[in-house]
Parts: sequence; structure tokens; C-alpha cells
Amino acid sequence: EAGVAQSPRYKIIEKRQSVAFWCNPISGHATLYWYQQILGQGPKLLIQFQNNGVVDDSQLPKDRFSAERLKGVDSTLKIQPAKLEDSAVYLCASSPVAQETQYFGPGTRLLVL
Amino acid sequence: SQQGEEDPQALSIQEGENATMNCSYKTSINNLQWYRQNSGRGLVHLILIRSNEREKHSGRLRVTLDTSKKSSSLLITASRAADTASYFCATDEGGSYIPTFGRGTSLIVHP
Repeated sequence: EAGVAQSPRYKIIEKRQSVAFWCNPISGHATLYWYQQILGQGPKLLIQFQNNGVVDDSQLPKDRFSAERLKGVDSTLKIQPAKLEDSAVYLCASSPVAQETQYFGPGTRLLVL
Repeated sequence: SQQGEEDPQALSIQEGENATMNCSYKTSINNLQWYRQNSGRGLVHLILIRSNEREKHSGRLRVTLDTSKKSSSLLITASRAADTASYFCATDEGGSYIPTFGRGTSLIVHP
């Protein structure tokens, strides 16, 4: 069974630029999560989808971050414009249903200069 | 906000010793999960324990849950150098189905 795929693996941009991350969850998983993990900290949930509907996005900085999950499968997370403090690893995870085991992708390491 | 908080923040042991790390949380939960993250890699699920369970085992891992104390512990027996990683607990805050991770315990196992 293929795992959660993410791309790109690394991205370096300058502040005020925009960037997009892509996630392909495990086939059949209804729940998809995007996390931000700053160095030395635990992952912080940005947004949680159930199929193509948003379950929670209370910690998503909506003035600059947006996410969508078209057709309840792949998802993209966008940052526009980026700030220095957005430098982090962005992790995507999926689970068959909410509250169950999450399967994480390798993450995208973002550096904002 | 962070629901689960791991303790200690860092732990250094010799190969063959046991490692114990703890997680405390603030509100009621439906389940609690432990994850491992190796340097530069994604998170890997270790064990899920539900609120009506008190103990679960998986290989060299033993997890306990005390809902009266709002705490959980992860025991790794006969540790190996390959166990070197950060360990995180994740809870669904207030039974909300929304996962919240702690800051993690950094474990170093010296060969």
C-alpha cells in the first residue's frame, strides 16, 4: 500500500512570495490533515478535512494560508504572502476516519528568507 | 494550544536500559496516541489507547493511561540505538476529534 505522498520535499523562497504544497493521501482515507511543525516543537494542526469538507481550521492563519481538497482526495496548502516565521516543516497526514491512526507523509521543509 | 505535554523534554540512556516518558493532558479525551519522529523524517504511529483502556503493548512498547490523573506513559524496554528519536503524544482535545500534539520527548540511546 502506498503511503502519503507530499511534494515538493524542500522549498526556499523569499518573504512575500507565494508557495504551494501538494498532498496525496492513502487511497480510501476520508480524513486529511495539514500540520505545521516548527523546529523543536510538536506538529500544530492547521486544517482537517473530512472528505472534501473542512472539520477544523481554527489555527489556520486565513489572511495568508489557504487549503483545499478537491473531490475529497488530493489536497493543496498555499501560503501567500509568506513571512519569515512560516519557515517550518509542513506535514500532511491521512486516516481512514477521524480520531484513528494518522499516517504521515515525509513533509515539505520550507525556508523563507 | 497544546493539550498533551511530554515529560521529560530530553532523555539520554544506554542501550539495553528502559526508557519511560510521560504525557499529561488537560481535558477529557476519546483516545491518546504515541508517535515517533526520527531526525529528518516524518512521524510514525506507535500505539493508540482508548479512554476505556488502561494498558496496551506492542513489541517492546508498553503504554498506560490513567484518565483520573489525565496522564499516559510510554515505556520502551531494552532500548536500542535505533530508538533514538523524538516521541510525541497526541490527544483529541475535549473529545473533539481534533488531534493536538505535545512538544515531545527527545530520546537518545547511546550504543
